[in-house]
Amino acid sequence: DQQVKQNSPSLSVQEGRISILNCDYTNSMFDYFLWYKKYPAEGPTFLISISSIKDKNEDGRFTVFLNKSAKHLSLHIVPSQPGDSAVYFCAASARAGYALNFGKGTSLLVTP
Amino acid sequence: DVKVTQSSRYLVKRTGEKVFLECVQDMDHENMFWYRQDPGLGLRLIYFSYDVKMKEKGDIPEGYSVSREKKERFSLILESASTNQTSMYLCASRPGAGYTFGSGTRLTVV
Repeated sequence: DQQVKQNSPSLSVQEGRISILNCDYTNSMFDYFLWYKKYPAEGPTFLISISSIKDKNEDGRFTVFLNKSAKHLSLHIVPSQPGDSAVYFCAASARAGYALNFGKGTSLLVTP
Repeated sequence: DVKVTQSSRYLVKRTGEKVFLECVQDMDHENMFWYRQDPGLGLRLIYFSYDVKMKEKGDIPEGYSVSREKKERFSLILESASTNQTSMYLCASRPGAGYTFGSGTRLTVV
């Protein structure tokens, strides 16, 4: 039973434009959300996170938005760069220390 | 920086073999996790451990076991490898809310 859903398996964006990756969750107990980026043959690396007490967190070109009432979060990358091409995983947990639940991932391709 | 080291990047094993995947972290974290990643299925939790000699089943524990004899080391064991266990295996350590992942082990069972 998938509690974290990324409904778009892939996304293609032109360099310099905005990339928007979406994530939905079903468990109302989730209160911490993260995005990970993964290149082939490497482990995922942490990108950005947000706790349920906030609705936005920004780090350079990356911004995560959380809509708790809709159980939806999104990752915005502005401007997109070819080096951003990777698989992005959304993850969530109920309380720090609990196991993370991951979505299936969205493969982002940024074209020059 | 926290380092999570998985002993092998690539492994090829035969069906029926017992396989050990090793993971070591260098920051004295209590929480460690094993996931597998498959195309179209994302990251699925196999087992995790909150402390030495403690283990909890994740979402897909069948065919696997784990060992945590020391805090820094968390081993995943495939009791009798099967072809459907061909996958990328990822170990993670967790100091707080987020994970630090190892580089992964690409296991092929033939």
